[in-house]
This record gives sequence, C-alpha cells and structure tokens, in this order.
Amino acid sequence: LAKTTQPISMDSYEGQEVNITCSHNNIATNDYITWYQQFPSQGPRFIIQGYKTKVTNEVASLFIPADRKSSTLSLPRVSLSDTAVYYCLVGDNNNDMRFGAGTRLTVKP
Amino acid sequence: NAGVTQTPKFRILKIGQSMTLQCAQDMNHNYMYWYRQDPGMGLKLIYYSVGAGITDKGEVPNGYNVSRSTTEDFPLRLELAAPSQTSVYFCASSGTSQYNEQFFGPGTRLTVL
Repeated sequence: LAKTTQPISMDSYEGQEVNITCSHNNIATNDYITWYQQFPSQGPRFIIQGYKTKVTNEVASLFIPADRKSSTLSLPRVSLSDTAVYYCLVGDNNNDMRFGAGTRLTVKP
Repeated sequence: NAGVTQTPKFRILKIGQSMTLQCAQDMNHNYMYWYRQDPGMGLKLIYYSVGAGITDKGEVPNGYNVSRSTTEDFPLRLELAAPSQTSVYFCASSGTSQYNEQFFGPGTRLTVL
C-alpha cells in the first residue's frame, strides 16, 4: 500500500489559488492518485483523479510530475465554501486506498 | 437517482446490543464499501463487496459482519456493540472499475454507551 503524506492544515483567503501537495514516494506502477473533499457531517466527495501529467476538471487541477512521487491539487480562486478536509489517496483499487488524516483547509474572508 | 442512502441517521446503543446499519444504492454499482470515521481522523475501510454474493474484509473488520444478497443493498451488522464502535459510519459505492470514484452516503452516527 502506498503511504501518503499531506500537510495537516492550511489557511488561505478568498480569491486565492490553493495548492495542496501530497507525497507518495512508494507509488506503484498501476496506482492512480485520487483526491476527495469532505465537509463536516458529510461523506467525502470525489474531486479529481489522475495517473500522470496534468488533469483538469471544472473544480480543480491535479499536477503529477514525471516520477509520480508527489502530486499537487490546485484549487483556483477559493471561496469560503471550499473550507473542508482534503484527502489524497493512492492505489490501483478502492479496497487498498487509504484515507489518512487529510489536509484541513480553512478559507478566510 | 437517490444515490447512496443510509439508515438510520443517528443511533444510541447500549453495550452488548446489536443492530444493522442499512445502505442502498440505485446506480447499479458493482462495488460497495463500509467505512468508519472516528473524530478528527480519516476513514477506515471495514468491509467491501465487489458484487452480489461477494464480500471481503477491509482494514478494521473485527466486530462487524456484512452481506450482499442484491446489487443494491449492503447492510452492516454489529453483533455485540462496544464503546470502541462509537463512530460515524459511511457507506459508499463505485462503478465497474476498482478505482472508479466512490459515491458516499450521508453517514450514520452511532454512539455505544
């Protein structure tokens, strides 16, 4: 199982771009990188998934360098409603992906 | 589509009691999962299922049982409740691939006293 390391918490202000980096030094060849968002008292919600290079969707971008030992979730122009916990998961199937403690992002006005 | 639904939303149990947490999905997903989340922690996988009739243990299966008689339903059974099982329980499902995004239910908050 690939172990992931993320910052415990981050602060930002409305309108800023936020980048959350996740380290996964022992990522395996078949592993994907997946990010989830969780608001208090709710289940996690899928944000984005990627294997290599860059993936972008309507809410975020995921940057993965060539060695795949880390990844960066980028949230453009955050708002107060982006305050949540963000989880980085690595694995080739959901059974083996592990939710760590995540990164608690606080967006301030 | 209702997505993933869970019942009940809240429950208080006494030590030694048993109960079943219900989970259903209407997305025709093959894969279903049960997680628990303790305060301030990430989610831990209890059991999962890759299809009707097939279940397997996750990271923390002790004290729990599951069954998957239909594609839609994946109940979690606690036989002898213990205070250590006080947690929020989330059910999730995902589609045809083992790394497809998971869709989570709203959770069941369980307290064992």
